[in-house]
Amino acid sequence: DSGVTQTPKHLITATGQRVTLRCSPRSGDLSVYWYQQSLDQGLQFLIQYYNGEERAKGNILERFSAQQFPDLHSELNLSSLELGDSALYFCASSRTANEKLFFGSGTQLSVL
Amino acid sequence: QQQVKQSPQSLIVQKGGISIINCAYENTAFDYFPWYQQFPGKGPALLIAIRPDVSEKKEGRFTISFNKSAKQFSLHIMDSQPGDSATYFCAASTRGSTLGRLYFGRGTQLTVWP
Repeated sequence: DSGVTQTPKHLITATGQRVTLRCSPRSGDLSVYWYQQSLDQGLQFLIQYYNGEERAKGNILERFSAQQFPDLHSELNLSSLELGDSALYFCASSRTANEKLFFGSGTQLSVL
Repeated sequence: QQQVKQSPQSLIVQKGGISIINCAYENTAFDYFPWYQQFPGKGPALLIAIRPDVSEKKEGRFTISFNKSAKQFSLHIMDSQPGDSATYFCAASTRGSTLGRLYFGRGTQLTVWP
């Protein structure tokens, strides 16, 4: 167990809808990362937060947004969902911005 | 475009054999090269990592070989076991930006037959 908790484990929704994925980092970790894993694109970095502030941005769509709260948990919001957004979304955390990552077990999103 | 290219896509090895997975990169700014192991239903887990100032790093049965001039690195799994059956990802990042912004290869599905 990595110590990173993601909820829910599975999410099934329809096109056009909005969902929120939640991540609790390991105790003491200040940095949270979101990754998307799909058959088409593989594992892709979306966004990083460090102690509540956005630190780095990757291939994240404008329909997606994230935030990190004062208690350091993070949420990834996906809106106007499309079929192609179906993927496994991973959260990872690290103690600082330059230490190794620990991944959660992911949220499997299915858009029907 | 894929910043880290990984091969082979799948690999079948006999128990006790050596598994070898290769990766190549173009961006010379990369200075951190980790390997991740992923089991079905789980997130990737860090297996071993290397920085470009060394050519080899060994941890137990797992060894990374790094060739800076060729911009290639590989994972060797000695005495492969059925429990090693998983998907392996190579990755790269730069400490200058953030270590956690990893560029992953497409993965290698390893099957070790008993």
